[in-house]
Amino acid sequence: NAGVTQTPKFRVLKTGQSMTLLCAQDMNHEYMYWYRQDPGMGLRLIHYSVGEGTTAKGEVPDGYNVSRLKKQNFLLGLESAAPSQTSVYFCASRGVGSTDTQYFGPGTRLTVL
Amino acid sequence: GQSLEQPSEVTAVEGAIVQINCTYQTSGFYGLSWYQQHDGGAPTFLSYNGLDGLEETGRFSSFLSRSDSYGYLLLQELQMKDSASYFCAVPDPKAAGNKLTFGGGTRVLVKP
Repeated sequence: NAGVTQTPKFRVLKTGQSMTLLCAQDMNHEYMYWYRQDPGMGLRLIHYSVGEGTTAKGEVPDGYNVSRLKKQNFLLGLESAAPSQTSVYFCASRGVGSTDTQYFGPGTRLTVL
Repeated sequence: GQSLEQPSEVTAVEGAIVQINCTYQTSGFYGLSWYQQHDGGAPTFLSYNGLDGLEETGRFSSFLSRSDSYGYLLLQELQMKDSASYFCAVPDPKAAGNKLTFGGGTRVLVKP
């Protein structure tokens, strides 16, 4: 039982490049979330999903797209990376009926030059 | 919208007690959660308060007062490994999926 995994762990992009971050969970959770965390700050929700095939915008969705084609996977895409998107990205998942326990992945450290 | 306020940093010595306060403003309320995050690590769930009162989990306790829109996390018998950032969070009752809004985090530094 790996929990929540994220790929890659680190990535450096040049401005304008695109990339996809992959999140996978093996807990059969319905809900999945993408957050970003800037140095010394809290977590801000980018997009989230309440089930396979569904996505919704969070607090800071601009510049990002997501897809949830399979229940266990939640992909975060950057179409044209900007330096302002330099951050640590965390994926999380939560089961239906649980309290507010979200299980987080180890994070992806992204630098955009 | 929803907002949460918590102190940015607290310093204490090993064996001491630290209280991290969190005040919130929400359009509805389902409960208050606490997460711990070590430097370079992922947030991990610590506790949840859905009702008023104190919840105890080992050396950590969490308190909620819904009438005061206030809660706190109490860290007792501090150990060096407790040096971390602690975040309070509330779910958005208007959105499906119980998405969370996090406070800015309190960095706890434990000194020998």
